[in-house]
Amino acid sequence: GAVVSQHPSRVICKSGTSVKIECRSLDFQATTMFWYRQFPKKSLMLMATSNEGSKATYEQGVEKDKFLINHASLTLSTLTVTSAHPEDSSFYICSAPRGGDTEAFFGQGTRLTVV
Amino acid sequence: GENVEQHPSTLSVQEGDSAVIKCTYSDSASNYFPWYKQELGKRPQLIIDIRSNVGEKKDQRIAVTLNKTAKHFSLHITETQPEDSAVYFCAAIGNTGNQFYFGTGTSLTVIP
Repeated sequence: GAVVSQHPSRVICKSGTSVKIECRSLDFQATTMFWYRQFPKKSLMLMATSNEGSKATYEQGVEKDKFLINHASLTLSTLTVTSAHPEDSSFYICSAPRGGDTEAFFGQGTRLTVV
Repeated sequence: GENVEQHPSTLSVQEGDSAVIKCTYSDSASNYFPWYKQELGKRPQLIIDIRSNVGEKKDQRIAVTLNKTAKHFSLHITETQPEDSAVYFCAAIGNTGNQFYFGTGTSLTVIP
């Protein structure tokens, strides 16, 4: 299957700082990528749709200024958690569909801990 | 967006028994329904999927059924093994693109 790589896999940051998470499609181009958040023992919650060359589309209740998304190229989307707080601690995971495929290919996920 | 509900939230079965997980969805335009298995701290892994033009699909010990009229679909695992223990998520694809809306998850424990 297609490969989606996410980096870093784990990050610890101090409150008030910003953290950038990268999502790369390694062997295909992705005009669209999706960002999810998962709390412990909970489901994956869609945060936003990242669109190459245009603004991201955020789900209701997700703060645009808090979670900045940039789809810089056809193989890279970034999620920046700005002014991080401990309640932002979570597992963040991206996915990308490949071309006409419906199947979603997931990154490895990023465990963010804000202290 | 789509609203996907999943039951049960936890399920324990004896090794060799069957496990059934059920999901309902709200958007009748949804046409793709994957099931994912997720181990702790790992990415979800697709185990089986079904499209709306099919009522049932089977892959060895795993099967999925879909009832479009009732807007529900189910995962069936037969002859369960301890390595089947994990969290399982159903999902439905949104009607505006390839974004997935996930169910709340089922923690399956297979008791040896």
